[in-house]
Amino acid sequence: EPEVTQTPSHQVTQMGQEVILRCVPISNHLYFYWYRQILGQKVEFLVSFYNNEISEKSEIFDDQFSVERPDGSNFTLKIRSTKLEDSAMYFCASRASGRDTQYFGPGTRLTVL
Amino acid sequence: GENVEQHPSTLSVQEGDSAVIKCTYSDSASNYFPWYKQELGKRPQLIIDIRSNVGEKKDQRIAVTLNKTAKHFSLHITETQPEDSAVYFCAASEGYNFNKFYFGSGTKLNVKP
Repeated sequence: EPEVTQTPSHQVTQMGQEVILRCVPISNHLYFYWYRQILGQKVEFLVSFYNNEISEKSEIFDDQFSVERPDGSNFTLKIRSTKLEDSAMYFCASRASGRDTQYFGPGTRLTVL
Repeated sequence: GENVEQHPSTLSVQEGDSAVIKCTYSDSASNYFPWYKQELGKRPQLIIDIRSNVGEKKDQRIAVTLNKTAKHFSLHITETQPEDSAVYFCAASEGYNFNKFYFGSGTKLNVKP
């Protein structure tokens, strides 16, 4: 069964550095999402993406964040200048057109020091 | 925006007993309510979902009920097994918008053998 994949599984960075988190959605899916989960807390919606543009974004998704689909298979989340509070697990998800279910990737644990 | 509240935060049951987890939501226009199971260190996985035009949905030992008037929905697990132990998250769409979701704070279910 196809799955969403994410790389790296764990990223450690210094405060103020830029990070790019990578996701490969399921191949025939057209809707893509990023979520974050701070340790022990709820999953929080960041952004959704369709047809090469952002569909929705949350209050968390400020100017420090950006998303891109650089080619036909990858979907990336960039954080320009990381803060300590950006430390979290970041999940990518994808959904097929006409379907309700979002499929989550395994997550990237981001640690900002 | 939507506000999803989930209770209880932890639930401990004996193997074979039933477990019920409840969520309330604030946006009467929300029309899609998925439930995710997240085992420790793993990705959230959809276990059941319901649309607002349905009052109840069942899949083997798992069922979800929805009360649109009261704006609450519940997950019911019967004949619990130790492998049901995990964190369960409810979520609600922002109205008819399947591109934005709000999650509950999670319920840690412990099924004691």
